Amino acid sequence: SQKIEQNSEALNIQEGKTATLTCNYTNYSPAYLQWYRQDPGRGPVFLLLIRENEKEKRKERLKVTFDTTLKQSLFHITASQPADSATYLCALDPTKGGYQKVTFGTGTKLQVIP
Amino acid sequence: DAGVIQSPRHEVTEMGQEVTLRCKPISGHNSLFWYRQTMMRGLELLIYFNNNVPIDDSGMPEDRFSAKMPNASFSTLKIQPSEPRDSAVYFCASSPRTSAFDTQYFGPGTRLTVL
Repeated sequence: SQKIEQNSEALNIQEGKTATLTCNYTNYSPAYLQWYRQDPGRGPVFLLLIRENEKEKRKERLKVTFDTTLKQSLFHITASQPADSATYLCALDPTKGGYQKVTFGTGTKLQVIP
Repeated sequence: DAGVIQSPRHEVTEMGQEVTLRCKPISGHNSLFWYRQTMMRGLELLIYFNNNVPIDDSGMPEDRFSAKMPNASFSTLKIQPSEPRDSAVYFCASSPRTSAFDTQYFGPGTRLTVL
């Protein structure tokens, strides 16, 4: 069966360090993968999209990698700040090239400690 | 832009009652999505509209759930009759185009509690 796995345990890191979150998937061949941020009591907010033919994507302190062989995406936040504390969701398209139907992982909660 | 607007923000109801959740997408967006989020199952797509037409409702859990989009600026998700297991946060999202690579803009959600 198709599955998207994110570490369900919270990730606690010290301010200034690099946070690395993992998204693994099985039985999918997505055309792209997205990362969203969700704060308590709010809807997810889009951060980055990486396509299957891209190995890496950057945006300010954020970096995403996409390894279609390992079926894994890594999401990095460099020089982390307490304001980065949130839940981060990965999402991918299960229909490859179809419309925008995406399937979300359950998210990883990141806590940046001052 | 005001973003995606959802109402109510919180709804508490008793089992068996009808519940109607409302969504106003971002003006100009022609794709609309309804999601449900729970701790156990995460964020699940319920239904997707494009140009007001339901395209995929395979995520709607059962016949008690129905969704409509009478025009480009309004959508409803109705649960009748409601059950305690429907308790969740329901999100509406919209997107400007149908391109597979377009991002979705989420509303603040409606927290539904069915007693």
